[in-house]
Amino acid sequence: LAKTTQPISMDSYEGQEVNITCSHNNIATNDYITWYQQFPSQGPRFIIQGYKTKVTNEVASLFIPADRKSSTLSLPRVSLSDTAVYYCLVPNSGGYQKVTFGTGTKLQVIP
Amino acid sequence: ETGVTQSPTHLIKTRGQQVTLRCSSQSGHNTVSWYQQALGQGPQFIFQYYREEENGRGNFPPRFSGLQFPNYSSELNVNALELDDSALYLCASSQGSRNSGANVLTFGAGSRLTVL
Repeated sequence: LAKTTQPISMDSYEGQEVNITCSHNNIATNDYITWYQQFPSQGPRFIIQGYKTKVTNEVASLFIPADRKSSTLSLPRVSLSDTAVYYCLVPNSGGYQKVTFGTGTKLQVIP
Repeated sequence: ETGVTQSPTHLIKTRGQQVTLRCSSQSGHNTVSWYQQALGQGPQFIFQYYREEENGRGNFPPRFSGLQFPNYSSELNVNALELDDSALYLCASSQGSRNSGANVLTFGAGSRLTVL
């Protein structure tokens, strides 16, 4: 079972860069790492996905070291609207998709 | 392209009753997963359906059951409701092969179930 571990919460001021690290020691060879954002009473929303090295899109960057046992989500210049819970996901390989969410990281952006 | 839609958005039941929650997957998606999210917790995997067959199940009792239809929409049925079943039930659809490690989930807004 590919379990992920993230910090429970983080605080950041508006305009700062935020880095959230996730550990996934049991990641399988064909597993990608996917990050989701969730606002209260809404479903999680896809942010970014990667397999190795660095991936960047219009909202975030994802850094994955060579051993792939961890990953770091980087949010540039956060705003108040980035206050949410962020989940790092790794599929549970073993014959079927059983994507399991951890507790996530609650990011509070402060004015 | 339409996203994932769930119904009903809110409902209240009493202990012992049965409930059916519905989900329409995003156009082009062939896989549907259901999650239970208690207040303050991360979503917990219930089960997944791929091309109308159950493709994995989490640690939920048999009174949680599901279906996927030929149009890839899905239902979650819960029998003999208990107070602890009160939660947000999320449906997510994806497009991928059975064992893909790269599926991206598209979630609906959820169905909020309260059991009294």
